[in-house]
Amino acid sequence: NAGVTQTPKFQVLKTGQSMTLQCAQDMNHEYMSWYRQDPGMGLRLIHYSVGAGITDQGEVPNGYNVSRSTTEDFPLRLLSAAPSQTSVYFCASSSDRSNGELFFGEGSRLTVL
Amino acid sequence: GENVEQHPSTLSVQEGDSAVIKCTYSDSASNYFPWYKQELGKRPQLIIDIRSNVGEKKDQRIAVTLNKTAKHFSLHITETQPEDSAVYFCAASRWTNKLIFGTGTLLAVQP
Repeated sequence: NAGVTQTPKFQVLKTGQSMTLQCAQDMNHEYMSWYRQDPGMGLRLIHYSVGAGITDQGEVPNGYNVSRSTTEDFPLRLLSAAPSQTSVYFCASSSDRSNGELFFGEGSRLTVL
Repeated sequence: GENVEQHPSTLSVQEGDSAVIKCTYSDSASNYFPWYKQELGKRPQLIIDIRSNVGEKKDQRIAVTLNKTAKHFSLHITETQPEDSAVYFCAASRWTNKLIFGTGTLLAVQP
């Protein structure tokens, strides 16, 4: 049982490049989320999903796309990277919408030059 | 939407002393208030949570109190130890997968 797995752990991009951060969980959790963490700003919700085929925007969705084709996977896409997207990204999942603990992946550190 | 404010941003205590971190929230519909601990370079991990139908919850050296009328909740750590040094985040929401986090408190426990 690996929990929540994120890849890559580190990535450097040039402005304008695109990439996908992968997230997979093996706990059969319905609920998944993406957060970004910046110094002094805590964890901010980017997008979330309540099940396969259902996604919605969080606090800071601009510049990011998500999809949820399976229960296990929840990739985050940057279509045209900007320096403001330099951050640490965390994927998380929970089993219950109102009573479940939020389990985080190890994080992906992204630098946009 | 929900907005969570957290204070202080940094807190330094002597080993054995108590530490208190406070958060306020804006959405009266929020009913779930967890606290996460994040060690340097690691992922956030849940340490304690409380729901709106409970005023206080305790787990060994950590406790959380909630005042729904005033919309604030606090984390209390007693008998602090060096391994308590970390960043602590409060959060509030109606739903686990839509947590809105505070900006974090860096706790340093001096031996």
